[in-house]
Amino acid sequence: SQQGEEDPQALSIQEGENATMNCSYKTSINNLQWYRQNSGRGLVHLILIRSNEREKHSGRLRVTLDTSKKSSSLLITASRAADTASYFCATYSPGRRALTFGSGTRLQVQP
Amino acid sequence: NAGVTQTPKFQVLKTGQSMTLQCAQDMNHEYMSWYRQDPGMGLRLIHYSVGAGITDQGEVPNGYNVSRSTTEDFPLRLLSAAPSQTSVYFCASSYRGAGGNTDTQYFGPGTRLTVL
Repeated sequence: SQQGEEDPQALSIQEGENATMNCSYKTSINNLQWYRQNSGRGLVHLILIRSNEREKHSGRLRVTLDTSKKSSSLLITASRAADTASYFCATYSPGRRALTFGSGTRLQVQP
Repeated sequence: NAGVTQTPKFQVLKTGQSMTLQCAQDMNHEYMSWYRQDPGMGLRLIHYSVGAGITDQGEVPNGYNVSRSTTEDFPLRLLSAAPSQTSVYFCASSYRGAGGNTDTQYFGPGTRLTVL
């Protein structure tokens, strides 16, 4: 079964607005990663946050991690039409040597 | 660097046929994985490998075989294709990170498989 569940499943916003996506997971993790997938393409790594970190920034991306709640959020600030894609969280758990992916959030940014 | 390459990009099979999906990486990564992605869903792990000669099962291994004879290549074999295996298949690779963690994964462009 999927480890992570993203919320919302779909999100539509206007260019310039911020987009927030949430991810919940079930078991202990070593790290949590966010990936982007443009339609019909492979996944591209965005950002990784380790279990001992609470917040991380990369350009317009901000990721938070709350291990007590087993949840993470991805914030994209000042969104652009080019940010239109599906976003997936993925977790790496102790003893499991591959990532487990959530079901994704489809983001549509209207120009 | 070509990164992670997959062939073919598209394939149509009839039920019962067998085929091999190819995956290669030129980044000297220890870890390689195969995932399948069904419409509107995330990726589910089929098989993975932590090095040449070492493979293990993921969440959905039935109907698939893998082998890892070299660091570069990680082919996925469908033994007897079924319509339920219609999906997009992604191969990924990564370094073995500090403490044995798997860090950033690099994905291939995918193979779109249809089984009739």
